[in-house]
Amino acid sequence: DAKTTQPTSMDCAEGRAANLPCNHSTISGNEYVYWYRQIHSQGPQYIIHGLKNNETNEMASLIITEDRKSSTLILPHATLRDTAVYYCIVRPLYGNKLVFGAGTILRVKS
Amino acid sequence: NAGVMQNPRHLVRRRGQEARLRCSPMKGHSHVYWYRQLPEEGLKFMVYLQKENIIDESGMPKERFSAEFPKEGPSILRIQQVVRGDSAAYFCASSPETGRNTGELFFGEGSRLTVL
Repeated sequence: DAKTTQPTSMDCAEGRAANLPCNHSTISGNEYVYWYRQIHSQGPQYIIHGLKNNETNEMASLIITEDRKSSTLILPHATLRDTAVYYCIVRPLYGNKLVFGAGTILRVKS
Repeated sequence: NAGVMQNPRHLVRRRGQEARLRCSPMKGHSHVYWYRQLPEEGLKFMVYLQKENIIDESGMPKERFSAEFPKEGPSILRIQQVVRGDSAAYFCASSPETGRNTGELFFGEGSRLTVL
């Protein structure tokens, strides 16, 4: 599975959009980009995934660059409860596991 | 529709004892994954199982650890002769059959093992 690079930590003001970047320059054609988050020692939670088109759901939007070498997760109106570690993962759609890196610690501040 | 259920949520064992962690996947899910998270560290993949089969155990320590997912009942992660370094949170995740798989894993809330 391709490797991803994320900033160690980010701060965001409550109510503002949180934009979390991820680099995956070695991504291959059959690999999807997945985002998960882990809120303070709880079980990881799926957020969104995509292949090459931008995706949006009730939680977030995923913007993938045309060359697929990077992506951005957007939380449109961050709340204090969005404070968590956010993981960007690439894997084939039917890959047999997720490999978690260090992720980005997002701190939402009032 | 209940989520992934793990028990016990907290387990305390003395060095040398055995720990058994159970995971009931979501209804209709036939794939189970176990992950370990040491204190202040990231999630590490341990093993991936389908019913009665171990598919990928590349992350399992070579000794003392075993996992099973029988035809009936929950998946079990078994740690024999526990040591203090086994103290961690153990997370289980499940997913449906590959053919209907969005790639989304559903995680439980974890079992926290403390070895005294």
